[in-house]
Amino acid sequence: AQKVTQAQTEISVVEKEDVTLDCVYETRDTTYYLFWYKQPPSGELVFLIRRNSFDEQNEISGRYSWNFQKSTSSFNFTITASQVVDSAVYFCALTLNSGYSTLTFGKGTMLLVSP
Amino acid sequence: DTGVSQDPRHKITKRGQNVTFRCDPISEHNRLYWYRQTLGQGPEFLTYFQNEAQLEKSRLLSDRFSAERPKGSFSTLEIQRTEQGDSAMYLCASSRDRADQPQHFGDGTRLSIL
Repeated sequence: AQKVTQAQTEISVVEKEDVTLDCVYETRDTTYYLFWYKQPPSGELVFLIRRNSFDEQNEISGRYSWNFQKSTSSFNFTITASQVVDSAVYFCALTLNSGYSTLTFGKGTMLLVSP
Repeated sequence: DTGVSQDPRHKITKRGQNVTFRCDPISEHNRLYWYRQTLGQGPEFLTYFQNEAQLEKSRLLSDRFSAERPKGSFSTLEIQRTEQGDSAMYLCASSRDRADQPQHFGDGTRLSIL
């Protein structure tokens, strides 16, 4: 069975600081997909990014960047120059190419950005 | 895309009552998922539909839970004889028919059992 671990329960930063959210996953499958979702206080899970297991190219999108390393089974998420609006719970999730693509989520990391 | 819609947003009921939630997925998505999220936890998978067929159920889905997706459009999740432990956020998601496609979530229905 697959597993996603987000060891950081809560992170507090001051606006404009950079912050990295860690995600470690476990699976025996060779083809899988990793996702990051954001859950603001309103509750809706918002899709941020998807990464395929065979594509280790890192990605940058504005202030967001993702570092995928198969060797360490990690898919970390960095926010540069954090803003108060980044305050939310962030979830890392995994789905397999086999089966019905149900998502296995980590427990989430709550990010608090203060002015 | 108009997004995934869930109704109601909040439901408060007494223990032992039956409740039903509705989910309207994004129209062109034929995959539909239900998840349950409790405080401080990530969402946990409950059940999955491919069009109108319910293809997978989690062991979390006791016999008091039933889900339908008639005609492959909207879906309902019913909980019979609710218990205190059923208090949670129930999330619905839909996606296109490929494993690499992201699931798009609704706002959820928060269930509180008195």
